[in-house]
Amino acid sequence: QQQVKQSPQSLIVQKGGISIINCAYENTAFDYFPWYQQFPGKGPALLIAIRPDVSEKKEGRFTISFNKSAKQFSLHIMDSQPGDSATYFCAASMSAGNQFYFGTGTSLTVIP
Amino acid sequence: DTEVTQTPKHLVMGMTNKKSLKCEQHMGHRAMYWYKQKAKKPPELMFVYSYEKLSINESVPSRFSPECPNSSLLNLHLHALQPEDSALYLCASSQAPLQRMNTEAFFGQGTRLTVV
Repeated sequence: QQQVKQSPQSLIVQKGGISIINCAYENTAFDYFPWYQQFPGKGPALLIAIRPDVSEKKEGRFTISFNKSAKQFSLHIMDSQPGDSATYFCAASMSAGNQFYFGTGTSLTVIP
Repeated sequence: DTEVTQTPKHLVMGMTNKKSLKCEQHMGHRAMYWYKQKAKKPPELMFVYSYEKLSINESVPSRFSPECPNSSLLNLHLHALQPEDSALYLCASSQAPLQRMNTEAFFGQGTRLTVV
């Protein structure tokens, strides 16, 4: 059973546009939600993460929005650039656990 | 230094070979992980070591054998693999086992394994 659902599977955005990737979860014990960026042939790199005590976190052009009641969180990439073209994974973990649960990934292509 | 180093970067092995993947971190992390990733799929957890002890084994076939010789090193020994085991093998580490605090996991660049 997929613990974290991610959509869309793929996304094409014009340069300068906003990329939005959504994730949803069911397990209310999750209390840490990171986003990873992965380029082909490379390992995932942590992009930004949020804890459920805040509704939004911004780092540069990347923003996580978190809706605890809806059990959803999303990644917004403002002013998208071709260099942002990569696969993005959301994930979730819980303090009582010992692993991360990954979403299925979103392949983002930013066209010039 | 937030680096997790994996060697080799690429590995081609036959189905009768024995090989090992290595992972090293010097961040003082006490949790280390092995993941397997197929193309266009998320990483799948294989093993978790917590304070050098195996704490999670996600029903991985015995042809994969992990080892954690010390707090900085993690190995994955491979023997009699199948072509379907071809994948990107990722090592990760985090500051503490997740029971104590939510901490970020740092991934290595992976070993691209091809079984022929």
